[in-house]
Amino acid sequence: GEDVEQSLFLSVREGDSSVINCTYTDSSSTYLYWYKQEPGAGLQLLTYIFSNMDMKQDQRLTVLLNKKDKHLSLRIADTQTGDSAIYFCAEGSGGYNKLIFGAGTRLAVHP
Amino acid sequence: DVKVTQSSRYLVKRTGEKVFLECVQDMDHENMFWYRQDPGLGLRLIYFSYDVKMKEKGDIPEGYSVSREKKERFSLILESASTNQTSMYLCASSSGHPNEQFFGPGTRLTVL
Repeated sequence: GEDVEQSLFLSVREGDSSVINCTYTDSSSTYLYWYKQEPGAGLQLLTYIFSNMDMKQDQRLTVLLNKKDKHLSLRIADTQTGDSAIYFCAEGSGGYNKLIFGAGTRLAVHP
Repeated sequence: DVKVTQSSRYLVKRTGEKVFLECVQDMDHENMFWYRQDPGLGLRLIYFSYDVKMKEKGDIPEGYSVSREKKERFSLILESASTNQTSMYLCASSSGHPNEQFFGPGTRLTVL
């Protein structure tokens, strides 16, 4: 079945760039998503990319999609302490708007 | 502003109790979802509903049931709670393109 994989932890220094990586298995994915979960909260959509795009930029966020390798990345420029959270990669290809989520990457930003 | 609310943020129940988790959305969305979130496992889909009174099993439906009597409300039921159902439960809703799901704040359930 479909699977989405991410590394579990990433630690970066404040002001540096963060890159969170994700791989997925379903080549029929229409959209790929990045969600952010702050402590004690639900998930919030950060950005998404349509499967026929290679890159999408939104302020400090850059999403890169390599369809051949089924690899998705999220780059956060000038990472701040407020970016500390869990980031989930998700792919959407099923009916009824179902999403398949990765395990989440916990980003820790230190001074 | 879109909103998904869940009836409780924290809940403590005893083994064998019947537990109801309620979710309400105010966006007139057709689709609603229940997930559980466990460290290192991410979000796993328990059940979803694509219309009133319609439901489909997700990846881990065992030990759970759901009810959707009104479009805005989707309930998750633990018929007889067990300790392995201690988890964070997240509700979400969505409608159409492009699969964006809106999440509630979650209910942290502890079963003793």
